[in-house]
Amino acid sequence: AQSVTQLDSQVPVFEEAPVELRCNYSSSVSVYLFWYVQYPNQGLQLLLKYLSGSTLVKGINGFEAEFNKSQTSFHLRKPSVHISDTAEYFCAVTPANDYKLSFGAGTTVTVRA
Amino acid sequence: DTAVSQTPKYLVTQMGNDKSIKCEQNLGHDTMYWYKQDSKKFLKIMFSYNNKELIINETVPNRFSPKSPDKAHLNLHINSLELGDSAVYFCASSQTSLSYEQYFGPGTRLTVT
Repeated sequence: AQSVTQLDSQVPVFEEAPVELRCNYSSSVSVYLFWYVQYPNQGLQLLLKYLSGSTLVKGINGFEAEFNKSQTSFHLRKPSVHISDTAEYFCAVTPANDYKLSFGAGTTVTVRA
Repeated sequence: DTAVSQTPKYLVTQMGNDKSIKCEQNLGHDTMYWYKQDSKKFLKIMFSYNNKELIINETVPNRFSPKSPDKAHLNLHINSLELGDSAVYFCASSQTSLSYEQYFGPGTRLTVT
């Protein structure tokens, strides 16, 4: 079975400051990793994914994440946040070649002016 | 054009009633899912259908019954609603031969009183 731990439940940050959201996973098999964003009262939208290849993955809206197999981590970063980045962020994992996504508990990012 | 749509968006009903939530995707995907998001925003998969065949059935009470009339539709019927069923239910779809990326609908907020 797979599990995902998001190490920060809430991250307040000032506009134009950098942000990092931490995600660790555990699995006995190879996995695919994802970050999703949920804006207030909306569904989830994919930010980026890691399936294979380069461990540095770039996504939409200026986000990027780095897969670290030895540390079983997939941290999400953005060098300069905007007010519009205020949202809930979910890290998710699925066994490679499987359908079943397991989500972390989410990190609430609040961007202040 | 909405990729994954759900109806209704809001559903308020009394304990003991039976209700259905409908989901449709126009992406041509072969797999569809139902997720439940609780009041703490924790997301958990409930069911998944691949080409109209049930492939994931988590430990969900049998009061919940999914039905997939065709690849583009996955409906969720709930019998004898309980207070604990109050949550946001998300439908999602993916094309599993491509990228394992799941596209989410806007959610249905179910409130049981």
